[in-house]
Amino acid sequence: KQEVTQIPAALSVPEGENLVLNCSFTDSAIYNLQWFRQDPGKGLTSLLLIQSSQREQTSGRLNASLDKSSGRSTLYIAASQPGDSATYLCAPHRAAGNKLTFGGGTRVLVKP
Amino acid sequence: NAGVTQTPKFRVLKTGQSMTLLCAQDMNHEYMYWYRQDPGMGLRLIHYSVGEGTTAKGEVPDGYNVSRLKKQNFLLGLESAAPSQTSVYFCASRLFGTSIETQYFGPGTRLLVL
Repeated sequence: KQEVTQIPAALSVPEGENLVLNCSFTDSAIYNLQWFRQDPGKGLTSLLLIQSSQREQTSGRLNASLDKSSGRSTLYIAASQPGDSATYLCAPHRAAGNKLTFGGGTRVLVKP
Repeated sequence: NAGVTQTPKFRVLKTGQSMTLLCAQDMNHEYMYWYRQDPGMGLRLIHYSVGEGTTAKGEVPDGYNVSRLKKQNFLLGLESAAPSQTSVYFCASRLFGTSIETQYFGPGTRLLVL
């Protein structure tokens, strides 16, 4: 069974600081790993998808790395803004069963 | 193109009542999923479908049933609601199950069982 852990559970930073969000998973047999953003009371929006053969993926101020062998992924958000305040969830797509497993999320608050 | 929509947005039930949650997608996706999200528990998979007419159990299927009679719709049923089913329910879909596809989520249904 895939276990996904996200550390820290919550993070508060002043505007402009870089954010580092960590995700670890126990089963390295994955197709890909997705990072999602969830705003309060809303659904999930996909931010980045890293295939198992990739080491990192970038989109604007976001960069996600993947170390499949050690079961770790990190999401970096550069020069944070108050609009980045949300909960960020990682979800490895496990090969067995072809399903996503979600971590508990990291709740981020960026203070102006 | 509405993406993934869910009906209703919010519902209050009494213990023992039944209801059906509707998920619809207009992206011609084959795979559809139902999750529940509880504080401190993350999203947990209830049931999923890999195509019209198919369904399969996820991580927490007890107390729920599903049907996929049409490719664009995935229904989640609660036959006899219990307070433990108070949660936020999310539907999601993806084209197939390949490694390059993003999973798309609906806005959620908040269910309160008294």
